[in-house]
Amino acid sequence: DAKTTQPPSMDCAEGRAANLPCNHSTISGNEYVYWYRQIHSQGPQYIIHGLKNNETNEMASLIITEDRKSSTLILPHATLRDTAVYYCIVASLPLSNDYKLSFGAGTTVTVRA
Amino acid sequence: DAGVIQSPRHEVTEMGQEVTLRCKPISGHDYLFWYRQTMMRGLELLIYFNNNVPIDDSGMPEDRFSAKMPNASFSTLKIQPSEPRDSAVYFCVAGGGFMDTQYFGPGTRLTVL
Repeated sequence: DAKTTQPPSMDCAEGRAANLPCNHSTISGNEYVYWYRQIHSQGPQYIIHGLKNNETNEMASLIITEDRKSSTLILPHATLRDTAVYYCIVASLPLSNDYKLSFGAGTTVTVRA
Repeated sequence: DAGVIQSPRHEVTEMGQEVTLRCKPISGHDYLFWYRQTMMRGLELLIYFNNNVPIDDSGMPEDRFSAKMPNASFSTLKIQPSEPRDSAVYFCVAGGGFMDTQYFGPGTRLTVL
């Protein structure tokens, strides 16, 4: 049972920023927010994760609200190759036996030219 | 690094036959996960190992499913006997590394007729 809520789909114009919201109101103190994406016919791909500070890497930025009940994944300049299903997941550190990712339905993002 | 290697990539079999899916994970990652994905149920975690020891197999659907990890470089998922409802894409995933990410293999597409 996924602990997150995401919109089922969204469209984005190529070259524009894509902002993907995620609600995780029941997140606990030791749980991280992870984002993965799955391009058609491929396995899911890790994008980014964070605990409470905003994070940025070469793929995306992750903005987590101060109360940690929601977050936004930002793809700064969406390209057609970013069309995929994006999953927001909360999970704890691998040091505990509860380290596992539960995938929900995700958000289907379609980038249009 | 070649990433997670799964074989076969495609398997078509008849109901009642034994099916064995194989995985060679990424070295240095202490966790290995088996997921399956269907249109109806999405991504489901079946079982995961830590340092070759099964930690949580609560996602294994029935006794027909079994998984082993005899050493750090090899794991198998076996279905005996197979049924049409087992048709899915099965992913082997390496995880628990320093960056706490999970790396999905390309998947095995299983079709049980």
